[in-house]
Amino acid sequence: DTEVTQTPKHLVMGMTNKKSLKCEQHMGHRAMYWYKQKAKKPPELMFVYSYEKLSINESVPSRFSPECPNSSLLNLHLHALQPEDSALYLCASSPVNGVYTEAFFGQGTRLTVV
Amino acid sequence: SQQGEEDPQALSIQEGENATMNCSYKTSINNLQWYRQNSGRGLVHLILIRSNEREKHSGRLRVTLDTSKKSSSLLITASRAADTASYFCASNRDDKIIFGKGTRLHILP
Repeated sequence: DTEVTQTPKHLVMGMTNKKSLKCEQHMGHRAMYWYKQKAKKPPELMFVYSYEKLSINESVPSRFSPECPNSSLLNLHLHALQPEDSALYLCASSPVNGVYTEAFFGQGTRLTVV
Repeated sequence: SQQGEEDPQALSIQEGENATMNCSYKTSINNLQWYRQNSGRGLVHLILIRSNEREKHSGRLRVTLDTSKKSSSLLITASRAADTASYFCASNRDDKIIFGKGTRLHILP
């Protein structure tokens, strides 16, 4: 299994809602990533988990809260988002952090905040 | 902050022609990677070149790396309609994978 699975594929939420994005991989990868991508822009790194511990937070607002319950799962909890947070949210994993690793990406969750 | 800068930003070529995309980066890197993204979907890893390598091939792809100029190029030979996509370079540094701005490639029939 070489897939990274993200759910849901599409999400519409109001600014007062709380929702969660989910990401799952069964490749035994120990590094997992959240990226945000706006239209016609490159993916922007948000968070990195290494061995289930948060290793990098790219100064992301606290309305985005990541969680790594185990080595296969990565969640992104959303609360009190703004319309400008509408974007494609991509999850990725790699065998380990470091020098010679490629990342495997999920198909993303298209989030619209209304 | 973005690590790589691709040029051109957009490229349209006839099917069968070769496509060349360039990437420049600012800081030292461990490796340089290229990814493809079809419209609004996830990214697919194409090829990785290590900082001590100068050239690498994979099928119709050829990647070069010049660390003295902090630049890389991706060549796609004999382009096909299915190559229409956005292409991003990315670098590994300090546990991060950081993407450049990307090149939108359109293959004309």
